[in-house]
Amino acid sequence: QKEVEQDPGPLSVPEGAIVSLNCTYSNSAFQYFMWYRQYSRKGPELLMYTYSSGNKEDGRFTAQVDKSSKYISLFIRDSQPSDSATYLCAMRYAGNMLTFGGGTRLMVKP
Amino acid sequence: DVKVTQSSRYLVKRTGEKVFLECVQDMDHENMFWYRQDPGLGLRLIYFSYDVKMKEKGDIPEGYSVSREKKERFSLILESASTNQTSMYLCASSRTGPSGGYTFGSGTRLTVV
Repeated sequence: QKEVEQDPGPLSVPEGAIVSLNCTYSNSAFQYFMWYRQYSRKGPELLMYTYSSGNKEDGRFTAQVDKSSKYISLFIRDSQPSDSATYLCAMRYAGNMLTFGGGTRLMVKP
Repeated sequence: DVKVTQSSRYLVKRTGEKVFLECVQDMDHENMFWYRQDPGLGLRLIYFSYDVKMKEKGDIPEGYSVSREKKERFSLILESASTNQTSMYLCASSRTGPSGGYTFGSGTRLTVV
Protein backbone atom coordinates (compact mmCIF):
# COMPACT_ATOMS: atom_id res chain seq x y z
CA GLN A 1 0.00 0.00 0.00
CA LYS A 2 1.31 3.44 -0.91
CA GLU A 3 1.80 5.99 1.85
CA VAL A 4 -0.26 8.55 -0.08
CA GLU A 5 -3.18 7.55 -2.29
CA GLN A 6 -4.71 9.81 -4.89
CA ASP A 7 -7.30 8.96 -7.56
CA PRO A 8 -5.59 9.47 -10.93
CA GLY A 9 -8.76 10.58 -12.70
CA PRO A 10 -9.23 12.05 -15.20
CA LEU A 11 -11.89 14.20 -13.57
CA SER A 12 -13.93 16.12 -16.12
CA VAL A 13 -16.19 19.00 -15.01
CA PRO A 14 -18.02 21.88 -16.73
CA GLU A 15 -16.75 25.41 -16.34
CA GLY A 16 -18.05 27.02 -13.15
CA ALA A 17 -18.34 23.75 -11.20
CA ILE A 18 -16.94 23.20 -7.73
CA VAL A 19 -14.11 20.70 -7.87
CA SER A 20 -13.06 18.46 -5.00
CA LEU A 21 -9.67 16.73 -5.15
CA ASN A 22 -8.64 14.34 -2.41
CA CYS A 23 -5.79 12.35 -0.94
CA THR A 24 -5.64 9.78 1.81
CA TYR A 25 -2.51 8.85 3.68
CA SER A 26 -1.37 6.24 6.16
CA ASN A 27 1.47 7.91 8.11
CA SER A 28 0.05 9.77 11.10
CA ALA A 29 3.37 11.61 11.54
CA PHE A 30 2.72 13.85 8.53
CA GLN A 31 2.31 17.45 9.65
CA TYR A 32 2.79 19.61 6.57
CA PHE A 33 0.47 19.29 3.60
CA MET A 34 0.79 20.77 0.16
CA TRP A 35 -0.97 20.87 -3.17
CA TYR A 36 0.93 21.30 -6.40
CA ARG A 37 -0.49 22.10 -9.84
CA GLN A 38 1.27 20.77 -12.92
CA TYR A 39 0.41 21.90 -16.41
CA SER A 40 1.23 19.62 -19.32
CA ARG A 41 4.98 19.46 -20.05
CA LYS A 42 5.79 21.75 -17.12
CA GLY A 43 7.16 21.26 -13.63
CA PRO A 44 4.80 21.25 -10.62
CA GLU A 45 4.19 24.59 -8.90
CA LEU A 46 3.21 25.00 -5.27
CA LEU A 47 -0.43 25.99 -4.94
CA MET A 48 -1.34 25.61 -1.28
CA TYR A 49 0.58 24.89 1.92
CA THR A 50 -1.01 24.01 5.26
CA TYR A 51 0.24 22.90 8.62
CA SER A 52 -1.69 20.38 10.71
CA SER A 53 -5.49 20.21 10.61
CA GLY A 54 -7.89 22.87 9.45
CA ASN A 55 -8.75 24.94 6.41
CA LYS A 56 -6.82 27.46 4.37
CA GLU A 57 -8.33 29.64 1.69
CA ASP A 58 -6.62 31.48 -1.17
CA GLY A 59 -8.93 33.03 -3.72
CA ARG A 60 -10.92 30.26 -5.41
CA PHE A 61 -8.87 27.55 -3.71
CA THR A 62 -9.46 25.99 -0.29
CA ALA A 63 -7.23 23.35 1.24
CA GLN A 64 -8.64 21.19 4.01
CA VAL A 65 -6.80 18.78 6.29
CA ASP A 66 -8.47 16.22 8.53
CA LYS A 67 -5.68 14.49 10.42
CA SER A 68 -8.07 12.29 12.40
CA SER A 69 -9.25 10.71 9.14
CA LYS A 70 -5.85 11.04 7.39
CA TYR A 71 -7.60 12.84 4.55
CA ILE A 72 -6.81 16.06 2.72
CA SER A 73 -8.82 17.93 0.13
CA LEU A 74 -8.43 20.75 -2.33
CA PHE A 75 -11.60 22.58 -3.40
CA ILE A 76 -11.71 24.79 -6.46
CA ARG A 77 -14.68 27.14 -6.74
CA ASP A 78 -15.93 28.55 -10.05
CA SER A 79 -13.56 26.30 -11.97
CA GLN A 80 -12.05 27.67 -15.18
CA PRO A 81 -10.57 25.95 -18.25
CA SER A 82 -7.21 27.35 -17.11
CA ASP A 83 -7.51 25.12 -14.03
CA SER A 84 -7.11 22.08 -16.28
CA ALA A 85 -3.94 20.43 -15.02
CA THR A 86 -2.70 17.57 -12.88
CA TYR A 87 -2.94 18.22 -9.14
CA LEU A 88 -0.47 16.50 -6.83
CA CYS A 89 -0.83 16.32 -3.09
CA ALA A 90 2.35 16.16 -1.02
CA MET A 91 3.11 15.86 2.66
CA ARG A 92 5.94 15.49 5.10
CA TYR A 93 6.83 15.36 8.76
CA ALA A 94 9.76 17.01 10.50
CA GLY A 95 12.35 16.13 7.89
CA ASN A 96 12.82 17.66 4.48
CA MET A 97 11.49 14.85 2.32
CA LEU A 98 8.13 15.22 0.68
CA THR A 99 5.96 12.22 -0.09
CA PHE A 100 3.82 12.77 -3.18
CA GLY A 101 0.54 11.35 -4.32
CA GLY A 102 0.33 10.11 -7.89
CA GLY A 103 -1.66 13.11 -9.09
CA THR A 104 -5.22 13.67 -10.32
CA ARG A 105 -5.76 14.95 -13.84
CA LEU A 106 -8.49 17.61 -13.98
CA MET A 107 -10.19 18.79 -17.15
CA VAL A 108 -12.51 21.80 -17.00
CA LYS A 109 -14.61 22.05 -20.15
CA PRO A 110 -15.88 25.44 -21.44
CA ASP B 1 11.40 35.86 -9.68
CA VAL B 2 13.11 32.96 -7.94
CA LYS B 3 13.55 29.85 -9.90
CA VAL B 4 15.05 26.48 -10.67
CA THR B 5 16.49 26.27 -14.16
CA GLN B 6 17.05 23.05 -16.04
CA SER B 7 19.42 23.39 -18.92
CA SER B 8 17.40 21.57 -21.57
CA ARG B 9 13.67 21.21 -22.17
CA TYR B 10 14.00 18.38 -24.69
CA LEU B 11 16.90 16.04 -25.24
CA VAL B 12 17.41 13.05 -27.56
CA LYS B 13 20.33 10.73 -26.87
CA ARG B 14 21.52 7.40 -28.17
CA THR B 15 21.71 4.20 -26.14
CA GLY B 16 25.04 3.94 -24.36
CA GLU B 17 25.77 7.67 -24.33
CA LYS B 18 26.75 9.44 -21.15
CA VAL B 19 24.13 12.10 -20.45
CA PHE B 20 24.38 15.15 -18.22
CA LEU B 21 21.30 16.98 -16.96
CA GLU B 22 22.03 20.28 -15.28
CA CYS B 23 19.99 22.12 -12.68
CA VAL B 24 20.68 25.54 -11.17
CA GLN B 25 18.73 27.36 -8.45
CA ASP B 26 19.06 30.98 -7.42
CA MET B 27 17.32 30.81 -4.03
CA ASP B 28 20.31 29.75 -1.90
CA HIS B 29 18.44 26.56 -1.01
CA GLU B 30 20.33 23.88 0.88
CA ASN B 31 18.43 20.91 -0.52
CA MET B 32 18.20 19.75 -4.11
CA PHE B 33 16.44 16.77 -5.65
CA TRP B 34 16.20 14.83 -8.90
CA TYR B 35 12.98 13.05 -9.80
CA ARG B 36 11.73 11.23 -12.83
CA GLN B 37 8.05 11.28 -13.73
CA ASP B 38 6.35 8.59 -15.80
CA PRO B 39 2.65 8.07 -16.59
CA GLY B 40 1.01 5.91 -13.96
CA LEU B 41 4.12 5.88 -11.76
CA GLY B 42 4.09 9.44 -10.47
CA LEU B 43 7.19 11.17 -9.17
CA ARG B 44 10.05 8.88 -8.22
CA LEU B 45 13.07 10.19 -6.34
CA ILE B 46 16.42 9.38 -7.90
CA TYR B 47 18.93 11.27 -5.74
CA PHE B 48 18.97 14.19 -3.37
CA SER B 49 21.52 16.41 -1.70
CA TYR B 50 21.43 18.32 1.58
CA ASP B 51 24.70 20.15 1.09
CA VAL B 52 27.58 20.75 -1.25
CA LYS B 53 29.47 17.55 -2.16
CA MET B 54 26.84 15.53 -0.30
CA LYS B 55 24.45 13.07 -1.96
CA GLU B 56 21.93 10.47 -0.89
CA LYS B 57 20.24 7.76 -2.93
CA GLY B 58 16.54 7.99 -3.46
CA ASP B 59 14.16 5.22 -4.44
CA ILE B 60 15.54 4.49 -7.93
CA PRO B 61 19.27 5.40 -8.10
CA GLU B 62 20.36 2.53 -10.34
CA GLY B 63 21.91 3.74 -13.58
CA TYR B 64 22.28 7.31 -12.31
CA SER B 65 24.84 9.36 -10.41
CA VAL B 66 24.88 12.98 -9.28
CA SER B 67 27.30 15.78 -8.60
CA ARG B 68 26.99 18.84 -6.41
CA GLU B 69 30.20 20.86 -6.47
CA LYS B 70 28.47 24.19 -5.80
CA LYS B 71 25.45 24.98 -3.67
CA GLU B 72 23.40 26.27 -6.57
CA ARG B 73 24.09 23.47 -9.04
CA PHE B 74 23.00 19.81 -8.97
CA SER B 75 23.80 17.59 -11.93
CA LEU B 76 22.26 14.25 -12.83
CA ILE B 77 24.41 11.85 -14.83
CA LEU B 78 23.21 8.87 -16.80
CA GLU B 79 26.35 6.79 -17.03
CA SER B 80 25.20 4.73 -20.03
CA ALA B 81 21.79 5.79 -21.27
CA SER B 82 19.23 3.07 -21.92
CA THR B 83 15.78 3.21 -23.52
CA ASN B 84 14.09 2.60 -20.15
CA GLN B 85 15.52 5.91 -18.98
CA THR B 86 13.31 7.76 -21.43
CA SER B 87 11.32 9.98 -19.11
CA MET B 88 10.54 13.45 -17.82
CA TYR B 89 13.27 14.52 -15.37
CA LEU B 90 12.45 17.14 -12.76
CA CYS B 91 14.85 19.00 -10.52
CA ALA B 92 13.65 20.64 -7.31
CA SER B 93 15.12 22.60 -4.44
CA SER B 94 13.99 23.51 -0.94
CA ARG B 95 15.09 25.33 2.16
CA THR B 96 15.87 23.33 5.29
CA GLY B 97 13.19 23.75 7.94
CA PRO B 98 9.42 23.49 8.29
CA SER B 99 8.49 26.31 5.97
CA GLY B 100 9.64 24.77 2.74
CA GLY B 101 7.76 23.22 -0.05
CA TYR B 102 9.81 22.31 -3.12
CA THR B 103 10.39 24.62 -6.06
CA PHE B 104 10.55 22.63 -9.27
CA GLY B 105 12.21 23.33 -12.58
CA SER B 106 10.30 23.08 -15.85
CA GLY B 107 11.63 19.59 -16.51
CA THR B 108 13.73 17.91 -19.17
CA ARG B 109 12.02 15.50 -21.49
CA LEU B 110 14.72 12.91 -22.30
CA THR B 111 14.29 10.41 -25.10
CA VAL B 112 16.85 7.63 -25.46
CA VAL B 113 16.83 5.95 -28.87
